[in-house]
Amino acid sequence: DTGVSQDPRHKITKRGQNVTFRCDPISEHNRLYWYRQTLGQGPEFLTYFQNEAQLEKSRLLSDRFSAERPKGSFSTLEIQRTEQGDSAMYLCASSLVGGAINEQFFGPGTRLTVL
Amino acid sequence: GDSVTQMEGPVTLSEEAFLTINCTYTATGYPSLFWYVQYPGEGLQLLLKATKADDKGSNKGFEATYRKETTSFHLEKGSVQVSDSAVYFCAPGNTDKLIFGTGTRLQVFP
Repeated sequence: DTGVSQDPRHKITKRGQNVTFRCDPISEHNRLYWYRQTLGQGPEFLTYFQNEAQLEKSRLLSDRFSAERPKGSFSTLEIQRTEQGDSAMYLCASSLVGGAINEQFFGPGTRLTVL
Repeated sequence: GDSVTQMEGPVTLSEEAFLTINCTYTATGYPSLFWYVQYPGEGLQLLLKATKADDKGSNKGFEATYRKETTSFHLEKGSVQVSDSAVYFCAPGNTDKLIFGTGTRLQVFP
């Protein structure tokens, strides 16, 4: 068990560019979550998947954001036409439905800076 | 909607002092309750959890009791160490997501 991994760990981009982040959950976990954390705040829920199905999206997830989990394993989060307000840490977590109730394991995060 | 209120930080203590970080929540249904910790430069780690009323979660000397009647889950430790310096997040959760508080920064000095 190597834990949840995220790539890249840091991303600097210019406003208006598209960016894509990847998350690899713990291998047997069937749920995968995306959160966003801005400086000095707690993580805010963005969306989650059970297997390949996206079951809930927060209203924080504007139409510039899209997330996929095509084979029920890794997930990608894409942000189109980035804005400075998108600068944040993007966290991925995974859990096992049927295991300890909603015990989510977090990855190290991808820090996005939009110039 | 669901929400969490944590005491404002930073909390500054001397080594071996007693720690309390207050957490109250509003949530639909009957959530599980979690404390996560974020050490400097690291990701979120689960510190402890409780899944039903009057359960006490404990880990690394930290404890918190699920108080359904007061919707609280206060974090305590009898004797803090410098290595406990971190940001602590209270988070009720159900089967689909966690709701995090703003976090409480703890600074422990020798």
